[in-house]
Amino acid sequence: EVQLVQSGAEVKKPGESLKISCKSSGYSFAIYWIGWVRQMPGKGLEWMGMVYPGDSDTRYGPSFQGQVTISADKSITTAYLQWNSLKASDTAMYYCVKHRGGNGWRFDYWGQGTLVTVSS
Amino acid sequence: QSALTQPASVSGSPGQSITISCTGTSSDLGCYNCVSWYQQHPGKAPKLVIFDVTNRPSGVSNRFSGSKSGNTASLTISGLQAEDEADYYCSSYTTTINVFGGGTKLTVL
Repeated sequence: EVQLVQSGAEVKKPGESLKISCKSSGYSFAIYWIGWVRQMPGKGLEWMGMVYPGDSDTRYGPSFQGQVTISADKSITTAYLQWNSLKASDTAMYYCVKHRGGNGWRFDYWGQGTLVTVSS
Repeated sequence: QSALTQPASVSGSPGQSITISCTGTSSDLGCYNCVSWYQQHPGKAPKLVIFDVTNRPSGVSNRFSGSKSGNTASLTISGLQAEDEADYYCSSYTTTINVFGGGTKLTVL
């Protein structure tokens, strides 16, 4: 059974750094892209980007390029989303997503979500 | 690519059929089979219900179907059930980028 288990909720102050995680199991982690989707409070879904664990190749959505870092450690089948300096506008639910494979970004499994709150 | 356009809300009675549209430009939806649909119940993670315009993942009810004509994709849910009440998001993708629609709230009356 495929499972994506995300780290717990975080409360941070503006300017702080943060790295959240997504532990994967039940499939060959290294050969499927894995990434993140943001959902701000009461809003829709936004694709942030993906990483290919096999060689750490990354793709970012235009709004997130340079704002976050997506990475993966295939030795522990875990993906990460990292911020160097959080802003209040980073307050959102973040979902880890697994690529279904094949052409195009289709996400067949989702993590349970990690709520990040950034407030002074 | 800009966000795809969906109606904010649709509603239907149990047993009826409803269709949710998703409109984009030729650069968003001009591709051959690059559309997916996701269902999100309140407080839950989204779930893939349609991929590559018409395909259902294993375990998804055959009451869900998808189609595309030109720059508009559609999700049809037939035989509406109370459990179908949720938010629905379309998604268009290439090998390098993905964009979601704004979402549609489905209310089962």
